[in-house]
Amino acid sequence: AQKVTQAQTEISVVEKEDVTLDCVYETRDTTYYLFWYKQPPSGELVFLIRRNSFDEQNEISGRYSWNFQKSTSSFNFTITASQVVDSAVYFCALHNQGGKLIFGQGTELSVKP
Amino acid sequence: GAVVSQHPSRVICKSGTSVKIECRSLDFQATTMFWYRQFPKQSLMLMATSNEGSKATYEQGVEKDKFLINHASLTLSTLTVTSAHPEDSSFYICSATGGVNTGELFFGEGSRLTVL
Repeated sequence: AQKVTQAQTEISVVEKEDVTLDCVYETRDTTYYLFWYKQPPSGELVFLIRRNSFDEQNEISGRYSWNFQKSTSSFNFTITASQVVDSAVYFCALHNQGGKLIFGQGTELSVKP
Repeated sequence: GAVVSQHPSRVICKSGTSVKIECRSLDFQATTMFWYRQFPKQSLMLMATSNEGSKATYEQGVEKDKFLINHASLTLSTLTVTSAHPEDSSFYICSATGGVNTGELFFGEGSRLTVL
């Protein structure tokens, strides 16, 4: 079975705090992609990152960083020095061999000033 | 990155009418398009996969006669919600790819349907 689990339904932090959003996935495919998307209140999906299953290097992009651990099937997302504009729902997703995206339940992040 | 456009972004219709939503890939040929539905406070659920020139493949529990999908060209797929009911009110979003195993997926802006 293919599945993505985002155990944190809602997270609330104060501006400038660091926050980590967890993502655990299940797949039997050896080749797959993992994604993170941001969905602001307007609804559109904003692409944040795509990671190939063969590339376990962690990635940093500005205040965003991602930790891919194949051994634990996790692909966690950290926002450093959070800002109010980071408030949104964040989705982790698994792209399988058939091209379908399987989304996690989403984590609603609220950053308060 | 590649651009996928959806139209209309918002639509309100009366119960019993049909509504068509378009998904266009503006700068690449989309061999496969996917249609997702998202109810409030929930995740995105795949409804169907459409390949250009062939019938769509629907996920379990999605009524193919109610949600008609047409992918007549490499740049356009349409989703028609037939005889819409209030429970069909949702956010519909499409994604497109030029190759299902490339991992390159591009999402439209989404269409919010409200059925009165």
